[in-house]
Amino acid sequence: DSGVTQTPKHLITATGQRVTLRCSPRSGDLSVYWYQQSLDQGLQFLIQYYNGEERAKGNILERFSAQQFPDLHSELNLSSLELGDSALYFCASSVARSTSTDTQYFGPGTRLTVL
Amino acid sequence: DQQVKQNSPSLSVQEGRISILNCDYTNSMFDYFLWYKKYPAEGPTFLISISSIKDKNEDGRFTVFLNKSAKHLSLHIVPSQPGDSAVYFCAARSGGSNYKLTFGKGTLLTVNP
Repeated sequence: DSGVTQTPKHLITATGQRVTLRCSPRSGDLSVYWYQQSLDQGLQFLIQYYNGEERAKGNILERFSAQQFPDLHSELNLSSLELGDSALYFCASSVARSTSTDTQYFGPGTRLTVL
Repeated sequence: DQQVKQNSPSLSVQEGRISILNCDYTNSMFDYFLWYKKYPAEGPTFLISISSIKDKNEDGRFTVFLNKSAKHLSLHIVPSQPGDSAVYFCAARSGGSNYKLTFGKGTLLTVNP
């Protein structure tokens, strides 16, 4: 158990809908990261938050947005869903005080299926 | 453009033998490398890491080797155990204030009893 929790574990929805994925980081970690893993793909970095503020953005679509709340949990909002958005979405957390040894710990993921 | 490549989608070894998983990268700005193991229906689990100032890091049965000139790293598992059967991801991070990880597509390791 990494200490990172994600809900829900599975989500099935229809095209055009909007969903929210939730993540709680490990105790003491200030940074949260979101990654997407599609079929036959490695994990693709979407976005990073540090202590409530956006720190870095990756290949995140404009239809997707995220935020980190004062209690440090994070939510990833996916809207106008398309079939191609079906994927595993992972949240990771880390202390993020120094890049030299920082390690990200991953949650169990949310499997999103868009029908 | 894939900056981190794991060219072997799968690897099969016998229990007790050595498993060698390989990873190549193209971005010379990468200075920290990590290996993660992933079981089905679970998130990636951190295994071992190495900084670019080192060429070897060892933790129990796991050793990571880094060859900066060749932009190549490898993970050695000795001895391999059936419980090691999983997908192994190589990940890399560039320096500065960038914490983003770039992942390879993974190698499925199967350890046969």
